[in-house]
Amino acid sequence: AQSVAQPEDQVNVAEGNPLTVKCTYSVSGNPYLFWYVQYPNRGLQFLLKYITGDNLVKGSYGFEAEFNKSQTSFHLKKPSALVSDSALYFCAVRPISGGYNKLIFGAGTRLAVHP
Amino acid sequence: NAGVTQTPKFRVLKTGQSMTLLCAQDMNHEYMYWYRQDPGMGLRLIHYSVGEGTTAKGEVPDGYNVSRLKKQNFLLGLESAAPSQTSVYFCASSYTRDRWETQYFGPGTRLLVL
Repeated sequence: AQSVAQPEDQVNVAEGNPLTVKCTYSVSGNPYLFWYVQYPNRGLQFLLKYITGDNLVKGSYGFEAEFNKSQTSFHLKKPSALVSDSALYFCAVRPISGGYNKLIFGAGTRLAVHP
Repeated sequence: NAGVTQTPKFRVLKTGQSMTLLCAQDMNHEYMYWYRQDPGMGLRLIHYSVGEGTTAKGEVPDGYNVSRLKKQNFLLGLESAAPSQTSVYFCASSYTRDRWETQYFGPGTRLLVL
């Protein structure tokens, strides 16, 4: 079965430190990969996506993600965390099959950045 | 450009009551989607639409109906609400069905069924 795993329910980081939010997937073929962020009482906002090419993708708000095909991972990173980065982060995968732009979401990881 | 908007923001229903959630987008997107978000489960697709007048079932369609009479609007109906439908509902839209296409989400509707 196709799935996306975000192994950490919560990640705690001190402001100014680098952060990593992990995502691994189990999807056949070469899927497209997305990260979304959800701030409290808000909808999901698109951060970045991997389609092809360079394994390091840069997105909004200073975030980047590294695609690793052999490890089927797409970890979200930021060199220096801000308190305002505290939110719920979702990894999503678009598999090859599916005629309606199907997205498979992970369960989400809550990022808490402490001053 | 408001993007994707949802009405209402919050609603409390009693078991057996009905309601309709409205999603509107002003980006001229062809595809629209309804998801539900439950703790620890990410988002799951309820129904989707590939264009005006067309709808189709997603992963968890039971207990819901949808309509897309106008391109910019996508309605989600609950005919007889159940406590299991307590959730946060998100609408999304995308321009095409291309695999790399980004979906844009509304702010969500929080529904509590007592």
